[in-house]
Amino acid sequence: GENVEQHPSTLSVQEGDSAVIKCTYSDSASNYFPWYKQELGKRPQLIIDIRSNVGEKKDQRIAVTLNKTAKHFSLHITETQPEDSAVYFCAARLKAAGNKLTFGGGTRVLVKP
Amino acid sequence: GAVVSQHPSRVICKSGTSVKIECRSLDFQATTMFWYRQFPKQSLMLMATSNEGSKATYEQGVEKDKFLINHASLTLSTLTVTSAHPEDSSFYICSAKGQEIESPLHFGNGTRLTVT
Repeated sequence: GENVEQHPSTLSVQEGDSAVIKCTYSDSASNYFPWYKQELGKRPQLIIDIRSNVGEKKDQRIAVTLNKTAKHFSLHITETQPEDSAVYFCAARLKAAGNKLTFGGGTRVLVKP
Repeated sequence: GAVVSQHPSRVICKSGTSVKIECRSLDFQATTMFWYRQFPKQSLMLMATSNEGSKATYEQGVEKDKFLINHASLTLSTLTVTSAHPEDSSFYICSAKGQEIESPLHFGNGTRLTVT
């Protein structure tokens, strides 16, 4: 099955700085990689996703890069703001496994004003 | 955007009783729904995959007789925690996927279950 590792587990940045979260996956057949933001006690919210036929995707201050050869993908948040503080989860979907999402362990991001 | 409604948001029950959690896709048809469990400060752990009209597929280590899943229609899946014990206390979240192959996953608001 798929295994997703996420680093770091916690990340503290100064407001305005960039934050980078990295994930690696084990199954080269995985073809879809979403990122979710979860605030305390709330549902995970999809913030950006990337498919295996694309190397990079950007949406305003958020970008995701994918390196299929190395089997890793990263989330980049630029010009961080206090409201970016949350737990972020990466995930990988393996089509052959019934489209199940396997989640990384999560990264707790704290943006200090 | 796609909306997934989960009810109840919080429930407290006594040990030995059963609790039913509902997950509804409000504006799309979900052929597949997933049930996750999340402990404090931890990741989402997939419990089972629920397909409309067929039996759920449970992940390794999840007791199917304890966590009963029913996906009776394209918009409703239920999870029943039977004979609940304090160790079942957790945050349970459902998610639903649309019929298109490339459709993303949308999460419900979650249910915080406390078993006393």
